[in-house]
Amino acid sequence: EAQVTQNPRYLITVTGKKLTVTCSQNMNHEYMSWYRQDPGLGLRQIYYSMNVEVTDKGDVPEGYKVSRKEKRNFPLILESPSPNQTSLYFCASSLLGYNEQFFGPGTRLTVL
Amino acid sequence: AQTVTQSQPEMSVQEAETVTLSCTYDTSESDYYLFWYKQPPSRQMILVIRQEAYKQQNATENRFSVNFQKAAKSFSLKISDSQLGDAAMYFCAYRSNDMRFGAGTRLTVKP
Repeated sequence: EAQVTQNPRYLITVTGKKLTVTCSQNMNHEYMSWYRQDPGLGLRQIYYSMNVEVTDKGDVPEGYKVSRKEKRNFPLILESPSPNQTSLYFCASSLLGYNEQFFGPGTRLTVL
Repeated sequence: AQTVTQSQPEMSVQEAETVTLSCTYDTSESDYYLFWYKQPPSRQMILVIRQEAYKQQNATENRFSVNFQKAAKSFSLKISDSQLGDAAMYFCAYRSNDMRFGAGTRLTVKP
């Protein structure tokens, strides 16, 4: 089954404790992206990647890191999480170009 | 930068009736795609319909259709014969080099 998977689905952590949210896709997509969803703001792009070892900042990259060492994986790293990073996070992938993106199930992160 | 505006935070419709969700966008590009995504309570993002900017014909998918007005930069979604399962948050999205989403419209369907 073609899909984007994210882990964990739920995470409660404390300020300053490094964490990683994993994202993997099995559709051989070149493009992968991370978004955060907050009430009244829709989805905002954090980082995206057009290919292995190629990443770029989205609209809200501060406090986040990403890496793309393999085509299928695109982990999101929070080196020192803060309460304002409490949000719902989505990973997405697509072919290059203007194609629709396929979304993972989301990760609900709470930073205390 | 491109922006996407959904001016209706909430909408409601009676079951079996028709509802239209509004979306406008701002861009200086001529080549792009537009999408409507549905997010039910499960939080999964589900593609409803897509529209290529170079196509004049409005896209349709069963009960879902769009009214794409390129000059006005407007991209509304019409849901016909509304069903209880249509209740969800709906996001309008624009894609060229990157992807932009509107703030969403919460649709309630009344039985």
